[in-house]
This record gives sequence, structure tokens and C-alpha cells, in this order.
Amino acid sequence: GAVVSQHPSRVICKSGTSVKIECRSLDFQATTMFWYRQFPKKSLMLMATSNEGSKATYEQGVEKDKFLINHASLTLSTLTVTSAHPEDSSFYICSARDRRGYSTDTQYFGPGTRLTVL
Amino acid sequence: KQEVTQIPAALSVPEGENLVLNCSFTDSAIYNLQWFRQDPGKGLTSLLLIQSSQREQTSGRLNASLDKSSGRSTLYIAASQPGDSATYLCAVQNSGAGSYQLTFGKGTKLSVIP
Repeated sequence: GAVVSQHPSRVICKSGTSVKIECRSLDFQATTMFWYRQFPKKSLMLMATSNEGSKATYEQGVEKDKFLINHASLTLSTLTVTSAHPEDSSFYICSARDRRGYSTDTQYFGPGTRLTVL
Repeated sequence: KQEVTQIPAALSVPEGENLVLNCSFTDSAIYNLQWFRQDPGKGLTSLLLIQSSQREQTSGRLNASLDKSSGRSTLYIAASQPGDSATYLCAVQNSGAGSYQLTFGKGTKLSVIP
């Protein structure tokens, strides 16, 4: 089955630093990847849609200059949290849509990255 | 704007019991509805996906139904086991060209007591 990986799985950083999270589709090509954020006891909130070779589309209220998204290849999207602050601490999950067509309805989710900003 | 609600927020049942989780959505113009399982601190595992034209999907002990007109879906788990303990999330994909975004509910946290 389709596998999506995220790296790192857990990161702790100091306030003011930048953190990069990678999302990879391991056995399929993904023209579209999605980045979600999940707070404790809350639902997943879509942050942005990442399309290979073009700029990401951000949801209302998400600062594009703070959450930089790059989708440089069909198997890799990165989310960089710039100048991280404690309020950015959260669980970040990516998903990838298979471009092959037979599973156009399905998004495959990564295992998530727990970010803690001190 | 699509809103997804899941009831109950938490549920505790003894092992072996059958149970039903509920999901409702406000905009019936959906492309599909999906049920996921999330273990603590982990990502999402897709359980069942129901297309808007379908009424139900089954996988093993799981059965999901969809009533698009009333904006409701249920996930039925038969003969529950302790390993079923997890948070179950319902998500809908709205209709529209190029729209693959999912709107999630807050989930139902299920505990199956041995």
C-alpha cells in the first residue's frame, strides 16, 4: 500500500529558531500534498495545500511567511516553521494524494511530527 | 463552510460489545466521506471510504453507512476488542473541481475495556 513518511517524528527547539519537517511519499508520486495541524482534543485543521512545482495555497488565517512550504519534487514536500514560538507547538501531519488516478479519492497520511517549542 | 460533528466525544464499552459512532456534516454536497483511526501520538489510518453515491462500506468488523441527504454517517464496530481502542475521526471531502480538501470532525475516543 501507499506509504507516507515524515521526518522528524519529534522535535524540540528553542524559541526563535526555524524547524523543517519533511513529508515523503515512498512508493508513489504525489502531485498534491496537504499539511495539517492538530491541537490536543481538536480536529485536524488544514493549513495549506502543496502542489508540485507551484506555490502552496494557504488556508485563511495561516501565515504563509511563517509556515514556508516547498514541494520541489513529486515525492517530497517540506514545511518550515520560521522563528518558532511556544504557540507553534503542535502535532503536524501531512498527507499525499496519489497521482496515478485509480486512487484519486484517497489521501495517504504520514505519521505526524510533534513539535515542541521551548 | 462545511462543519463536521462527531458524537459522542468519548465512549467506553466492555469487550465484545457492538457499538456505533456518529458523524454529521452540514453541507451535503460531498464527494466522499472517510473514517480514520488515530492512535495516541500517531498519524491516521484510513478505515473506510464511502463515495457520495454509495450507502455503505464494510471491512471486517467495521461497517460504515452514509445518508448524504440528511448529512449523517455511522461507523458500526462489531464485537469490540481492546485493540480497537483509539480515536476515530470522520472526514468529508467536498465536491468541486480540484477540491481534495478534507474537513475533519474532532473525533470519538473509544476505550474498550477487557
